[in-house]
Amino acid sequence: GAGVSQSPRYKVAKRGQDVALRCDPISGHVSLFWYQQALGQGPEFLTYFQNEAQLDKSGLPSDRFFAERPEGSVSTLKIQRTQQEDSAVYLCASSLAYSQEQYFGPGTRLTVT
Amino acid sequence: GQQLNQSPQSMFIQEGEDVSMNCTSSSIFNTWLWYKQEPGEGPVLLIALYKAGELTSNGRLTAQFGITRKDSFLNISASIPSDVGIYFCAGDNYGQNFVFGPGTRLSVLP
Repeated sequence: GAGVSQSPRYKVAKRGQDVALRCDPISGHVSLFWYQQALGQGPEFLTYFQNEAQLDKSGLPSDRFFAERPEGSVSTLKIQRTQQEDSAVYLCASSLAYSQEQYFGPGTRLTVT
Repeated sequence: GQQLNQSPQSMFIQEGEDVSMNCTSSSIFNTWLWYKQEPGEGPVLLIALYKAGELTSNGRLTAQFGITRKDSFLNISASIPSDVGIYFCAGDNYGQNFVFGPGTRLSVLP
């Protein structure tokens, strides 16, 4: 496809469940980013990959959050033992190598009940 | 950590009016990006700025990289209903870790 795609678009999880969110970046984009966006706020950085290497995970809020990109293309953000405060939109973005211009997917809205 | 402020928080304007909004930081940035987000969608990149003083246009949108490198401005001329949305600035300082502002919510009245 032409843009970044994310799935699922919506996810409802009971507190304590594990969830996995998928991101398909734009073809050829080396860099991939995950952001968390709470209601009414701007996106907040979670983690960054260049190819398969996770170069920055300083924004992950706890060790329940884990991201991977094993083949340098598709990425998965996993949240273990979800809590209500994890409810947010999770955005994925990708960019070309050495470019600052990040292109976002539509996001996954996670609701933890 | 680094934080960005955006003003105004929200604005209501008449169709056809010009719009100005800004973004300020306590830290220096070397790149500014402006995004627009509509409900249920991800942010869409509008303009990227890379040099202090740079002025860049994209159709009716014009953005400037402040000369202090601590601020940026976005102007929209002759607003139309489809300009409605939330406008975010994002800044970066020699890394890939962009910091986003809280957004300016724009409403256009017919």
